[in-house]
Amino acid sequence: DSGVTQTPKHLITATGQRVTLRCSPRSGDLSVYWYQQSLDQGLQFLIHYYNGEERAKGNILERFSAQQFPDLHSELNLSSLELGDSALYFCASSAVGVSTDTQYFGPGTRLTVL
Amino acid sequence: KNEVEQSPQNLTAQEGEFITINCSYSVGISALHWLQQHPGGGIVSLFMLSSGKKKHGRLIATINIQEKHSSLHITASHPRDSAVYICAVLNLSKGTAGGTSYGKLTFGQGTILTVHP
Repeated sequence: DSGVTQTPKHLITATGQRVTLRCSPRSGDLSVYWYQQSLDQGLQFLIHYYNGEERAKGNILERFSAQQFPDLHSELNLSSLELGDSALYFCASSAVGVSTDTQYFGPGTRLTVL
Repeated sequence: KNEVEQSPQNLTAQEGEFITINCSYSVGISALHWLQQHPGGGIVSLFMLSSGKKKHGRLIATINIQEKHSSLHITASHPRDSAVYICAVLNLSKGTAGGTSYGKLTFGQGTILTVHP
């Protein structure tokens, strides 16, 4: 158990809908990262938050957005869903967010868009 | 060409064999991670390396910064080692608000390891 929790575990929805994925980091960790894992693209970095502020963006679509709240939990919002958005979405947390940090991964949310 | 290339893509071994998985990268990095993804999907960080060599139990990871290459070795492999092993490099890149971001991992495609009893 990494100490990172993600809800829900599974999500099935229809094209055009909007969903919110939630991540609670390990106690004391200030950084949260979101990743997408799809069959054709593998793992991809989406976005990094540190102590409530966005630090870096990767291959995140404009239809996706994220935020980190004062209690350090984070939400990833996916809107106007398409079939291609079906994937495993992982969040990870680390103590600070520097290059020497180990990232601890949550169990993932499996999103299926029908 | 991907920034991070792993080889082999698939690896089958008999229990007890010594296993090597390779990772080559083409960009400047600040650190390299080896991750293990279990069949159920969960991801565990095995090592974070910025130089030299690290050992944990039967796992050894090495990195050669000049050659932009890292290897993950498993000694005395066991069926429970069957998993996907993923190499990821940490790039220093400009952050959203300027300055330096520390958090961008770029992943290899993974190596599927199957160890038979």
